Amino acid sequence: DAKTTQPTSMDCAEGRAANLPCNHSTISGNEYVYWYRQIHSQGPQYIIHGLKNNETNEMASLIITEDRKSSTLILPHATLRDTAVYYCIVRVGGNKLVFGAGTILRVKS
Amino acid sequence: GAVVSQHPSWVICKSGTSVKIECRSLDFQATTMFWYRQFPKQSLMLMATSNEGSKATYEQGVEKDKFLINHASLTLSTLTVTSAHPEDSSFYICSASVSGTDTQYFGPGTRLTVL
Repeated sequence: DAKTTQPTSMDCAEGRAANLPCNHSTISGNEYVYWYRQIHSQGPQYIIHGLKNNETNEMASLIITEDRKSSTLILPHATLRDTAVYYCIVRVGGNKLVFGAGTILRVKS
Repeated sequence: GAVVSQHPSWVICKSGTSVKIECRSLDFQATTMFWYRQFPKQSLMLMATSNEGSKATYEQGVEKDKFLINHASLTLSTLTVTSAHPEDSSFYICSASVSGTDTQYFGPGTRLTVL
């Protein structure tokens, strides 16, 4: 599965949109982009995934560039409870999830 | 939907004893369940993949005789840490895939402390 690159940490003001980038320049045509987050001392929480079209659900939006080499997870109105480590994972369906270091998002009031 | 539970949420045991951790999919059937381990300030590391009714597949470096996995039904998988030692102290997390999909849903984790 393709490797991903994420910033180590980001800060966001409460109530503002949090935009978390992820680079996956070696992604192949059948690999999906998955996003999970992990709040301290809890199990990871599934957020969203997509193949090539932009996706939106009740938690977030996923914007994938046309060449699929990068994507952005958008939390439209960040709250303090969104403070967590966010993982961007690229994988072929059915393959195991490989977690990198992720991005530490700190939402501040 | 897609809720996964783990029991216990934390456990403290003496060195040399065995500890069993349960992972249950509460509102769906899971053909495949996964066990991860996370040490402090590190990311999750996959230990093994278990399929209902068959033997688990272990990742390289994970001792299958030490970490016994049983996936006896479509809603329950267990991980038994045998002869636990202090270096086995960690956060153990399971996940399950909804049958027919590839999305994994994670349990809340079990913190194991071996004295």
